[in-house]
Amino acid sequence: DTEVTQTPKHLVMGMTNKKSLKCEQHMGHRAMYWYKQKAKKPPELMFVYSYEKLSINESVPSRFSPECPNSSLLNLHLHALQPEDSALYLCASSQERVSGRNEQFFGPGTRLTVL
Amino acid sequence: DAKTTQPTSMDCAEGRAANLPCNHSTISGNEYVYWYRQIHSQGPQYIIHGLKNNETNEMASLIITEDRKSSTLILPHATLRDTAVYYCIVRVAPIRSASKIIFGSGTRLSIRP
Repeated sequence: DTEVTQTPKHLVMGMTNKKSLKCEQHMGHRAMYWYKQKAKKPPELMFVYSYEKLSINESVPSRFSPECPNSSLLNLHLHALQPEDSALYLCASSQERVSGRNEQFFGPGTRLTVL
Repeated sequence: DAKTTQPTSMDCAEGRAANLPCNHSTISGNEYVYWYRQIHSQGPQYIIHGLKNNETNEMASLIITEDRKSSTLILPHATLRDTAVYYCIVRVAPIRSASKIIFGSGTRLSIRP
């Protein structure tokens, strides 16, 4: 299984809602990532988890709250979002070997619209 | 991580080789060159990576100059399905924890019939 799955595919939420995005991989990867991608722009890194611990937070506003319940799952909890947070949210995972191939496997993304 | 520079867009005829250049003049000795592509509305997909030597796999070839300041991704026989945004990234190998990758603006490759 070389797939990263993300649910839901699409999400529409109001500014007062609380929702969560879910990401799952069964490749035994110990690093997992959240990216945000606006239209016609490259993905921007938000968070990195390594061995289930948050290792990088790219100064993301606290209305985005990541969680890594176990080595296969990564969640992104959303609360009090703004319309400008509307974007494609991508999850990725990688093996993180000390040397050699360390490509990230990306999920298909969740397209989020904040009204 | 070093910064990369790529042309904004390119086009190529179907069946011909597509050569995508990338400049990474500030690359360090321990940084790898990675290429990803992103087909419209999908997640990015790994293509190939290299450190010093040229590399080839079932998808593409990667040519890295001897001084490592630039590289070229070659798609030997481009098809319409190769239409995508191609990202060149340089990334240090992780030591103890996950390292991040920073996407540049990428090259939008269009394959014409």
